Amino acid sequence: AQSVTQLGSHVSVSEGALVLLRCNYSSSVPPYLFWYVQYPNQGLQLLLKYTSAATLVKGINGFEAEFKKSETSFHLTKPSAHMSDAAEYFCAVTFTGGGNKLTFGTGTQLKVEL
Amino acid sequence: DGGITQSPKYLFRKEGQNVTLSCEQNLNHDAMYWYRQDPGQGLRLIYYSQIVNDFQKGDIAEGYSVSREKKESFPLTVTSAQKNPTAFYLCASSLTGANYGYTFGSGTRLTVV
Repeated sequence: AQSVTQLGSHVSVSEGALVLLRCNYSSSVPPYLFWYVQYPNQGLQLLLKYTSAATLVKGINGFEAEFKKSETSFHLTKPSAHMSDAAEYFCAVTFTGGGNKLTFGTGTQLKVEL
Repeated sequence: DGGITQSPKYLFRKEGQNVTLSCEQNLNHDAMYWYRQDPGQGLRLIYYSQIVNDFQKGDIAEGYSVSREKKESFPLTVTSAQKNPTAFYLCASSLTGANYGYTFGSGTRLTVV
């Protein structure tokens, strides 16, 4: 069965510092991987996705993620954090033949401090 | 603009009552989903539907029911059998195909009073 693990339920960074949110996946077949962001009392918004093309994926708001098959990872990064990046971030996985169903991680709350 | 609309945004229910949460999309998506979100537990799948007049149970379907009579609509009923219904409920839709991902609504916060 497919799954994702997000290491660290809470991450705190200073404004201007590197953001690194970790996601490791488990899948017996090639996966499709997604990162979503959620602001308080709102739905989830797609940041970026990996669908077996380029392994380095660029998304909205300056975020990017790199698919590393050898490490079964899909970590989310941003070179310089901004106060507006404070939100909860979810990693998700699915695969061809999986019936479209996404399996979500438990989320990482990002706090950005002055 | 196309999108997915959930209503109401806030809903209060008395114990023992059934309530229905609305989810409508105009994206022409075939598949629709209902998730429940509780603090620290991520998103848990309640029900999903990949085609009109058909739906499947997710991981936590007990105490919930759905219908899919129209492509655009996928209402969720929280029944009195759901023991702990207070939560944030999210509806999503997608095209058929694993590489598309989901489009989410803005959620409904249900509180039992």
